Amino acid sequence: QVQLAESGGGVVQPGGSLRLSCEASGFDLSRFGMHWVRQVPGKGLEWLAHTSYDGSFGYIGDSVRGRFTASRDNSKNMVFLHMSGLRAEDTALYYCAKDQFAGVAVVDAAFDVWGQGTMVTVSS
Amino acid sequence: QSVLTQSPSASGTPGQRVTISCSGSYSNIESNALNWYQQVPGAAPTLIIYDNNQRTSGVPDRFSASKTGTSASLAISGLRSDDEATYYCASWDESLPGPVFGGGTKLTVL
Repeated sequence: QVQLAESGGGVVQPGGSLRLSCEASGFDLSRFGMHWVRQVPGKGLEWLAHTSYDGSFGYIGDSVRGRFTASRDNSKNMVFLHMSGLRAEDTALYYCAKDQFAGVAVVDAAFDVWGQGTMVTVSS
Repeated sequence: QSVLTQSPSASGTPGQRVTISCSGSYSNIESNALNWYQQVPGAAPTLIIYDNNQRTSGVPDRFSASKTGTSASLAISGLRSDDEATYYCASWDESLPGPVFGGGTKLTVL
């Protein structure tokens, strides 16, 4: 069964750092780009970051550029979101999501598998 | 403020047909595929429409979608109570570059 499972969320102080993990199972992670999307409870979806199928490149959203980066370890079926300089407005549920289509240059917003999310709360 | 614009709410009665709209610009909707997600409370979003009008596996043909220029729409016919959810449109935006989402339309089945 194709699944994604996020972990690593929690409470962190403003200015702090956190690394979120996303474990993939049931499919060949090395073929697919992966994304991080967050959602403030009761609000909409915000795309944050992408890592290409092999980790050689990625895209990053304006609101987190310079503070967040996405990476991956295909040998361990893991994707990561490294977050630093955290702010109160980063408080949200963080999802990892899989590109629907495999390939080198997939430029799309079709994510066919999502994890259940991990909650990050930035508070002193 | 979302890059793609959706009405915040929509409603209909069982059996009715409802349409949810999404508007954007040349750099996103007009130039790239438009996708639709359904999110029920407490759950992660699920992809229901990809590449403008293609239903994902298991999505009933009551759901249909179209795109023209910088606008897109999702239509749900034969409305059912379990269609009650928030629906998001999403597209790649070449100006960022990266995916962008609409603000979501909460569909209520009366």
